[in-house]
Amino acid sequence: GAVVSQHPSRVICKSGTSVKIECRSLDFQATTMFWYRQFPKQSLMLMATSNEGSKATYEQGVEKDKFLINHASLTLSTLTVTSAHPEDSSFYICSGWDRALNQPQHFGDGTRLSIL
Amino acid sequence: AQSVAQPEDQVNVAEGNPLTVKCTYSVSGNPYLFWYVQYPNRGLQFLLKYITGDNLVKGSYGFEAEFNKSQTSFHLKKPSALVSDSALYFCAVRDMAAGNKLTFGGGTRVLVKP
Repeated sequence: GAVVSQHPSRVICKSGTSVKIECRSLDFQATTMFWYRQFPKQSLMLMATSNEGSKATYEQGVEKDKFLINHASLTLSTLTVTSAHPEDSSFYICSGWDRALNQPQHFGDGTRLSIL
Repeated sequence: AQSVAQPEDQVNVAEGNPLTVKCTYSVSGNPYLFWYVQYPNRGLQFLLKYITGDNLVKGSYGFEAEFNKSQTSFHLKKPSALVSDSALYFCAVRDMAAGNKLTFGGGTRVLVKP
């Protein structure tokens, strides 16, 4: 089946650091990438939707200057958490979707971000 | 706006017994429904989907789900649960009018005891 590779799997860093998370579709073209945030024992919260070559569309309440999303190619999207603070600590998950194939979204394994 | 409800936070079942995880939905138009499973510190794995056709959908790992339009439900089922089925299960609906994003239910934790 389709594979989405997400790196790193875990990040621990100091407050004020910017952190970049990569999401790659390995065997399909992800025309659309979705970024989610998941708090402990809770469901996934969609942060933003990015279409290849376009600016990301952010969900209400998500700071676009805080969470920078780039989707420059059909196989790579990145989420950069700028000047991260402890409240940004969370589990971040990406998913890829090929509009042409109309298959289910395929998810990465997530990134556990811990800001000290 | 679309919504998905999973009324049970946790389901406990003995190994070998049938497993059911409940899901109800609210959509305008035809529903595109999905079930995903999440293991600890992992992303979501696709189990099955309903787009159109037969109301009984068969998916991965022996799971199936029954679409019931009159009850707006899409319950996940497995005839004989395994300890390895213990995980977090999410029901989701695709919003075709909003960039095809998924709206997830709150999740149901399944614990299968040996």
